[in-house]
Amino acid sequence: NAGVTQTPKFRILKIGQSMTLQCTQDMNHNYMYWYRQDPGMGLKLIYYSVGAGITDKGEVPNGYNVSRSTTEDFPLRLELAAPSQTSVYFCASINQGSGYTFGSGTRLTVV
Amino acid sequence: QKEVEQNSGPLSVPEGAIASLNCTYSDRGSQSFFWYRQYSGKSPELIMFIYSNGDKEDGRFTAQLNKASQYVSLLIRDSQPSDSATYLCAVKGQTAGNKLTFGGGTRVLVKP
Repeated sequence: NAGVTQTPKFRILKIGQSMTLQCTQDMNHNYMYWYRQDPGMGLKLIYYSVGAGITDKGEVPNGYNVSRSTTEDFPLRLELAAPSQTSVYFCASINQGSGYTFGSGTRLTVV
Repeated sequence: QKEVEQNSGPLSVPEGAIASLNCTYSDRGSQSFFWYRQYSGKSPELIMFIYSNGDKEDGRFTAQLNKASQYVSLLIRDSQPSDSATYLCAVKGQTAGNKLTFGGGTRVLVKP
């Protein structure tokens, strides 16, 4: 039981490049989330999903896209990377009720 | 805009003392309240959650909730150097999706 797995752990992108952050969970959780955390700040919700095929925007969705084709996977796509997207990205999941289980995070730098 | 506010700290406490962290929230309809601990460079980990007014204890940690005053607090008793971390308050509101809104976190430093 690996929990929530994120890849890659680190990535440096050039301005204008694109990439996909991967997130997989093996707990059969329905709800999955993508947050970003800027230095010294709390977490801001980017996108979330309540089940396969269903996604919705969070607080800061601009510049990102998601898909949820299976219960296990919830990738986050960055198109045309900008320096403002330099951050640490966390994926999380929950079944219902109690708190999130977080992945280990992806540290992204856009230069 | 639903907000969760925390003092950023750092909150410096001597080893063995009680650390007291506070969190206020703006959404009066909020249902559930969570405290996460985050070590530098790591992901948040759940310490405890509370739903009802009053106190909830788990080991050295006590969460206190006052919905009328819209605040939730965390007490860490017998603070240890290993408790040095950032503590994030998170609130689940009334909207669908089990979404959590996080505060900016309070950095705690426990000095031996």
